[in-house]
Amino acid sequence: EDKVVQSPLSLVVHEGDTVTLNCSYEVTNFRSLLWYKQEKKAPTFLFMLTSSGIEKKSGRLSSILDKKELFSILNITATQTGDSAIYLCAADSGGGADGLTFGKGTHLIIQP
Amino acid sequence: KAGVTQTPRYLIKTRGQQVTLSCSPISGHRSVSWYQQTPGQGLQFLFEYFSETQRNKGNFPGRFSGRQFSNSRSEMNVSTLELGDSALYLCASFPGGNTGELFFGEGSRLTVL
Repeated sequence: EDKVVQSPLSLVVHEGDTVTLNCSYEVTNFRSLLWYKQEKKAPTFLFMLTSSGIEKKSGRLSSILDKKELFSILNITATQTGDSAIYLCAADSGGGADGLTFGKGTHLIIQP
Repeated sequence: KAGVTQTPRYLIKTRGQQVTLSCSPISGHRSVSWYQQTPGQGLQFLFEYFSETQRNKGNFPGRFSGRQFSNSRSEMNVSTLELGDSALYLCASFPGGNTGELFFGEGSRLTVL
């Protein structure tokens, strides 16, 4: 059975701190690893990773994939209160909409 | 470009009733998938439709069903509701290709009493 595990499940830090969110996966026919941010209801896409060791970056957020050790990390530097959200990691084994396997998410709270 | 629209946004039902949720994908997206999100289980895949055909189904009982219409709009139905069906039901549309990016709607929050 495909499985994605995220850690920590919740995290409280102060504004300006750097955080690292973890995602490990066990998925047959792995194709890609995706990160989403869910602030209120609709998850929004952050990154898709398909190759090991290649960092994807968007502003203060970055992510990298290790296909040998089957994990990914999401880094957020200089955190702001607007970064407070649930961060979801998902593994894609079918290409696109063929059923992503999601982790339970990391609930990140940034305190001012 | 309008996003994914889900209706209703909130609804309350009692055990044993049935419910139908609706999803209109982004114009031009032919794939629609449905997910159930609960605090304990996170997001779990229900099913995916493409061109009116169900292509994939998650591990949910037969009480959960869906369909897609020729205009790509999709509905999902849950019959004989149970307390454990209380959840946020998210619909996502997919444009195809290798981006992997799903576009989610804001969900339908179902409470079963």
